[in-house]
Amino acid sequence: EDKVVQSPLSLVVHEGDTVTLNCSYEVTNFRSLLWYKQEKKAPTFLFMLTSSGIEKKSGRLSSILDKKELFSILNITATQTGDSAVYLCAVWGSNYKLTFGKGTLLTVNP
Amino acid sequence: DGGITQSPKYLFRKEGQNVTLSCEQNLNHDAMYWYRQDPGQGLRLIYYSQIVNDFQKGDIAEGYSVSREKKESFPLTVTSAQKNPTAFYLCASARGPLQGAPTNTEAFFGQGTRLTVV
Repeated sequence: EDKVVQSPLSLVVHEGDTVTLNCSYEVTNFRSLLWYKQEKKAPTFLFMLTSSGIEKKSGRLSSILDKKELFSILNITATQTGDSAVYLCAVWGSNYKLTFGKGTLLTVNP
Repeated sequence: DGGITQSPKYLFRKEGQNVTLSCEQNLNHDAMYWYRQDPGQGLRLIYYSQIVNDFQKGDIAEGYSVSREKKESFPLTVTSAQKNPTAFYLCASARGPLQGAPTNTEAFFGQGTRLTVV
């Protein structure tokens, strides 16, 4: 069974802090890894990672994949209260199955 | 506008009743997915379909059923056999195997249906 493990499950920080969210996986026929942000209802797409060592960046968010060690990290610098959300990691495996982790609940306090 | 529509947003049912959740997409995607979300559990895969008239069980399929008669539609029925049906249900779609490998695709989500069984 495909498995995606995220850590920590929850995190509370102050505005301006930098956070690192972790995602490890065990997936048959790994194809790519996705990061999503979920604030209220529908998760919104952040990044897709397919190659090791290549950083994807969007504003204060960045992410990188290590296919040898089977993990990815999502970094958020200079956090703002609007970054408060659940961050979800997902992996495409065999048979076009998309498996998610439990998510990390990030709370950014002013 | 292209997107995924789930209806209704909120649904209340009595215990023992079957209920069907609707999911429609106009993104021309072959693949569609149903997930269940409980507090602290992330998204758990119920069923998925790569193409019309075909679908596979996910990790928690017991007590649920689906059909895929049209490309645009992937309804989920929560049957009376599902022991804890109260949850938030999310539908997603993505390009399928005939539309490009998933190495270059993201999944798009609907706004979800919150089902409460009393």
